[in-house]
Amino acid sequence: RKEVEQDPGPFNVPEGATVAFNCTYSNSASQSFFWYRQDCRKEPKLLMSVYSSGNEDGRFTAQLNRASQYISLLIRDSKLSDSATYLCVVNPSGGSQGNLIFGKGTKLSVKP
Amino acid sequence: EAQVTQNPRYLITVTGKKLTVTCSQNMNHEYMSWYRQDPGLGLRQIYYSMNVEVTDKGDVPEGYKVSRKEKRNFPLILESPSPNQTSLYFCASSLITGKAVGKLFFGSGTQLSVL
Repeated sequence: RKEVEQDPGPFNVPEGATVAFNCTYSNSASQSFFWYRQDCRKEPKLLMSVYSSGNEDGRFTAQLNRASQYISLLIRDSKLSDSATYLCVVNPSGGSQGNLIFGKGTKLSVKP
Repeated sequence: EAQVTQNPRYLITVTGKKLTVTCSQNMNHEYMSWYRQDPGLGLRQIYYSMNVEVTDKGDVPEGYKVSRKEKRNFPLILESPSPNQTSLYFCASSLITGKAVGKLFFGSGTQLSVL
């Protein structure tokens, strides 16, 4: 099983739709989880950290399921500007170690 | 302005000609890291540094060197570049406080082509 796995997509959705991505991780001791957004060949930018209790930022909600070893990202009321690749990032050793593992990304395309 | 600066933005070179990609951050971050991004393979970590004079291998360190003599700079060195090192490279930095590693600030990237 690969360390961090994401469905590559693409997810093609209409404006206003709700879309959800999952990311599975193999190391049960992983402590830190993040979602990044990357536009084509640009630098990734932090979208959200993922906490055990879940967290929400406007239209975006992130959840962590430790029992099933996955994190999720929910986007409500999709906008054209949400079109991007969403990267899941896991620190398998916790915050004090630097070996971060990136998923290959899930591509989202929001259509008018 | 808080930022991570990489140079050059684009670089074309030939096999075997040593090159250095510079990375500098002005946020006093302890953690710095280099990644390469290839189609279908995603972002892969090359090397990282938890502080000055402390560096560790990531997942794909072969063919690369790094140094961390100052907190702000973390250059990536290719002693003898080969065509399979043609890639898009990103430098990133982060504070280390509790679980802060992972809230990365990225440079704009360096597209390297080795002929």
